[in-house]
Amino acid sequence: NAGVMQNPRHLVRRRGQEARLRCSPMKGHSHVYWYRQLPEEGLKFMVYLQKENIIDESGMPKERFSAEFPKEGPSILRIQQVVRGDSAAYFCASSPQGQNYEQYFGPGTRLTVT
Amino acid sequence: QQQVKQSPQSLIVQKGGISIINCAYENTAFDYFPWYQQFPGKGPALLIAIRPDVSEKKEGRFTISFNKSAKQFSLHIMDSQPGDSATYFCAASMEGGSEKLVFGKGTKLTVNP
Repeated sequence: NAGVMQNPRHLVRRRGQEARLRCSPMKGHSHVYWYRQLPEEGLKFMVYLQKENIIDESGMPKERFSAEFPKEGPSILRIQQVVRGDSAAYFCASSPQGQNYEQYFGPGTRLTVT
Repeated sequence: QQQVKQSPQSLIVQKGGISIINCAYENTAFDYFPWYQQFPGKGPALLIAIRPDVSEKKEGRFTISFNKSAKQFSLHIMDSQPGDSATYFCAASMEGGSEKLVFGKGTKLTVNP
């Protein structure tokens, strides 16, 4: 009965490099949400995906950030040319079909940009 | 614009006491209000949730009180224990809005033994 899985748990990147964060939803869940948490702040919605579809990306920065949830494999949040301000904890949540309200979070990926 | 305001920012309670955390929202279209508990280095865990058609929901030592007219809701932790020490987040979402969660800024609860 595995929960939401995220990897890596910790990621260090230098400015200008790319960061790839992976999320495997709970078994039977087909919806994935990505949130970002800055230090001492609440979580902020970034993007909502279903298999092969981006449903809502209203919280995604317009540049450098992209997300996908392919038919096979995990969802990926990609940050190109990272800057220090991208340092944060990135959480993925999944929910079952028809019950989007009940979102279950993974342990997060803590990105540090040096 | 912060749509969900949470207070207090931090709270210290003695073991056995009652912890109370408050949240206020602005958007009357919100129709689902969960509370999440987060321990350091971990992801948020869904604790309890309420919809606006009820004024109170209780699960064990955790109770949500909801006041629709005031657009406020609160979490009460009865008989608080040191193991309850964590950061608590209130959130809100609405049907038809991708059900994305709008979070408060969190309350760091410390329960002293």
